[in-house]
Amino acid sequence: GIQVEQSPPDLILQEGANSTLRCNFSDSVNNLQWFHQNPWGQLINLFYIPSGTKQNGRLSATTVATERYSLLYISSSQTTDSGVYFCAVDGYNQGGKLIFGQGTELSVKP
Amino acid sequence: DAGVTQSPTHLIKTRGQQVTLRCSPKSGHDTVSWYQQALGQGPQFIFQYYEEEERQRGNFPDRFSGHQFPNYSSELNVNALLLGDSALYLCASSLALGTGATEAFFGQGTRLTVV
Repeated sequence: GIQVEQSPPDLILQEGANSTLRCNFSDSVNNLQWFHQNPWGQLINLFYIPSGTKQNGRLSATTVATERYSLLYISSSQTTDSGVYFCAVDGYNQGGKLIFGQGTELSVKP
Repeated sequence: DAGVTQSPTHLIKTRGQQVTLRCSPKSGHDTVSWYQQALGQGPQFIFQYYEEEERQRGNFPDRFSGHQFPNYSSELNVNALLLGDSALYLCASSLALGTGATEAFFGQGTRLTVV
């Protein structure tokens, strides 16, 4: 099955700094999603981005499907950005079954 | 739109008991998937229900079973609970598109503790 690897596993930033999170996947995908998991466990949708670039406020994401990776950019980080960021992919003919990476745990210090 | 809702939010069970978790999908969605998330890990796919049938299944034992109702809501049942079943159980809903699906949305999860 598809393997998903995220890097770095942990990241500590000062408030206001920028960061880039990476997601590599081992096969072609139908869909790729980025999530932020809050301290209570809720997975918040950030981007649905099988290819191309999208932006939402201070966050943006780029997926290069032909090279099998996606990047999540966080600019001017805030303490509320802290938490775990997951990348998840849905392979072709997988009917929406998501395979998750191990996550990047981000801590933003004031 | 209430989004995906799960109940209960927390549950404590004794080893050997059985548990039922419930999920109502986002309005307009017809597919429900269940995931198990152990502490410090990414969510792992358990199974998926579409048109009231289990469409695909991950690497979980038969102690894990489910059901989907005509209104698309779903239940996850776990029999003969083990300590290792302690985890956050997440439900996701989406809309089937041929062999794929639309963007998935998750509920807030049920945190199960087995003692």
